[in-house]
Amino acid sequence: EVQLVESGGGLVQPGRSLRLSCAASGFTFDDYAMHWVRQAPGKGLEWVSGISWNSGSIGYADSVKGRFTISRDNAKNSLYLQMNSLRAEDTALYYCAKDTGGWGGGGAFDIWGQGTMVTVSS
Amino acid sequence: QSALTQPPSASGSPGQSVTISCTGTSSDVGGYNYVSWYQQHPGKAPKLMIYEVSKRPSGVPDRFSGSKSGNTASLTVSGLQAEDEADYYCSSYAGSNIYVVFGGGTKLTVL
Repeated sequence: EVQLVESGGGLVQPGRSLRLSCAASGFTFDDYAMHWVRQAPGKGLEWVSGISWNSGSIGYADSVKGRFTISRDNAKNSLYLQMNSLRAEDTALYYCAKDTGGWGGGGAFDIWGQGTMVTVSS
Repeated sequence: QSALTQPPSASGSPGQSVTISCTGTSSDVGGYNYVSWYQQHPGKAPKLMIYEVSKRPSGVPDRFSGSKSGNTASLTVSGLQAEDEADYYCSSYAGSNIYVVFGGGTKLTVL
C-alpha cells in the first residue's frame, strides 16, 4: 500500500525549532520529488517547500525561505522539514505529498499523508 | 508570488454542470501547462483530480475535466453528484526551479 506518514508535530513556543519527518512506503521513493504543504485551521492549502528526487533542486515559499530547510534520505525513504524561528502564523497542519514526477516543478501531488499538526504559541 | 484567485463558492443541482475558475498570471498559470486541481472533503487530505491542465489520474471519474485559456484555468464537474460537495483547490507551477502556488479554494455545494 502506498503510504506517507508524517510525525514530529506538536506545541512549540515562538522562536523555537521543530523537525518534521515523513516516512514513505509502497513506492520507489527515490524516483519522485516530494513536497510539504500546510493548511492553517479553517484556511486553504499553502505550498511550503519541495525537493527533487536527488535533492538537486529545492524550492521554498517566500513565507518560509531562510527559516525552513527541506531534506530527504533516500536510503531511509524519508522526507524532513527543519523549521526554525517559528512564528504564530506557522501554525498549521503540515502534509507530506508525493509529486507525480521526479523534478518537482510540475506541482502535481498524487499521494498525501494525513498531516501532522504544528502549533506555535507561548 | 501571490496566490491564484478562485471564487470562494460555487453551487449546482444534482446532474448539472459547474465550472470553477482559477486566475493567475503569465508567470504561473499562463506560462506553463502545469495546473492541478485538488478535491478536499472536511477532515480529509486533498485528492488530486486533474494535473497538467487536463489530465485525470487513474480512478478519477471523467465527469471531472480541466482546461486553460490564457491566465485562467478551469475545472468543470459534469453530472454533479452529492459526493462532489467539497473544497476544490487549483495549483500551478510558478517557475524558479521548484515553486508552486495554490488558489484560495472554492467550496462547491450540491443543492
